[in-house]
Amino acid sequence: GENVEQHPSTLSVQEGDSAVIKCTYSDSASNYFPWYKQELGKRPQLIIDIRSNVGEKKDQRIAVTLNKTAKHFSLHITETQPEDSAVYFCADHNAGNMLTFGGGTRLMVKP
Amino acid sequence: SAVISQKPSRDICQRGTSLTIQCQVDSQVTMMFWYRQQPGQSLTLIATANQGSEATYESGFVIDKFPISRPNLTFSTLTVSNMSPEDSSIYLCSVVTTGSHYPDTQYFGPGTRLTVL
Repeated sequence: GENVEQHPSTLSVQEGDSAVIKCTYSDSASNYFPWYKQELGKRPQLIIDIRSNVGEKKDQRIAVTLNKTAKHFSLHITETQPEDSAVYFCADHNAGNMLTFGGGTRLMVKP
Repeated sequence: SAVISQKPSRDICQRGTSLTIQCQVDSQVTMMFWYRQQPGQSLTLIATANQGSEATYESGFVIDKFPISRPNLTFSTLTVSNMSPEDSSIYLCSVVTTGSHYPDTQYFGPGTRLTVL
């Protein structure tokens, strides 16, 4: 089955610094890559997604890049703030609108 | 995006009993899924809830343990049967709404936190 690897599992940055989380996938047919943010005790919330026909997408301080040849995609958060502290999950889309999730990255932004 | 609610939000149950979790959406959705999130872990798909037919289960999950119903396009239930402490997890439903893109975005309910003693 599909496998999504996510790194790092934990990431600690100073407020104002950038954070980068990387995911690799195995299914070359994957064509949709969402990122979810999950705060403690809350549901996963979609923060950005990218489809396979583009290489980069940006939304304010958040950007996602996709390299289909290498089968990896990354989340970039600039000017990090304490409220960015959460667990972030990448995912890729399989047949039937099903998502396979990465293992998650716990991001801690220190004030 | 759809508004998704789940009941109960949390429960503490005794081993050997069963719990039914409800997922209600405020609009008709094309697809509904059930996930399990064990403490400190990622999300694992249990099954796709199919409207009017049997659910489609992922490897490692069986209907006898996790029976699912979906009587219409806005409602689904997941039952955790004959519970053991290993079933202690957060159970989340998710939905895909009809949109202009394929694949469409998947949204999650608030989750049900289950503790089995």
